[in-house]
Amino acid sequence: NAGVTQTPKFRILKIGQSMTLQCTQDMNHNYMYWYRQDPGMGLKLIYYSVGAGITDKGEVPNGYNVSRSTTEDFPLRLELAAPSQTSVYFCASSYSARGRNNQPQHFGDGTRLSIL
Amino acid sequence: GESVGLHLPTLSVQEGDNSIINCAYSNSASDYFIWYKQESGKGPQFIIDIRSNMDKRQGQRVTVLLNKTVKHLSLQIAATQPGDSAVYFCAERGPMEYGNKLVFGAGTILRVKS
Repeated sequence: NAGVTQTPKFRILKIGQSMTLQCTQDMNHNYMYWYRQDPGMGLKLIYYSVGAGITDKGEVPNGYNVSRSTTEDFPLRLELAAPSQTSVYFCASSYSARGRNNQPQHFGDGTRLSIL
Repeated sequence: GESVGLHLPTLSVQEGDNSIINCAYSNSASDYFIWYKQESGKGPQFIIDIRSNMDKRQGQRVTVLLNKTVKHLSLQIAATQPGDSAVYFCAERGPMEYGNKLVFGAGTILRVKS
């Protein structure tokens, strides 16, 4: 299994541009998450999904959108890139039975995004 | 609100010594805790977890201790090796009404001196 795969690994955007960060997992996990990690800070939850067709906001959702059309894929969309969105973005997935998740989240290796 | 913090941002240990990384959490209703290791340029990697109905759990060379009285979590690494050098994060999961979301601490840098 590849686990959680994120693309691209690096990207530089100009202010106002848009892009989609891709995330796919092959572990048949129902839960998926997007985090951002700023220097010297912990991970902040942007959006999450408990299953295909269901998404919900996390702690810092402004400026981002997500969709979950399949179990495997959970893309993160930036519509109008701003310098404050310069960060490292991590996608994660986990399995939960009956709503209460006692399984750890598995992470991808991140997308390093710079907005100039 | 919920918060998870680490006491020591950087820990330097000699190769072969034991390491102890500490974490304080604020939500007494949190019921699940995880330690992650993050190497440079990589995503967080699961190390060990513990549920709130336990106070100790052991893995291979690692032990997690949970003290619910003072809301403290620690990660002990035995016989620390150069490959253990990384940033270590603790994370807590809040009560049912918060769903399955984790709250992460800022991290502790572990440096192993040879």
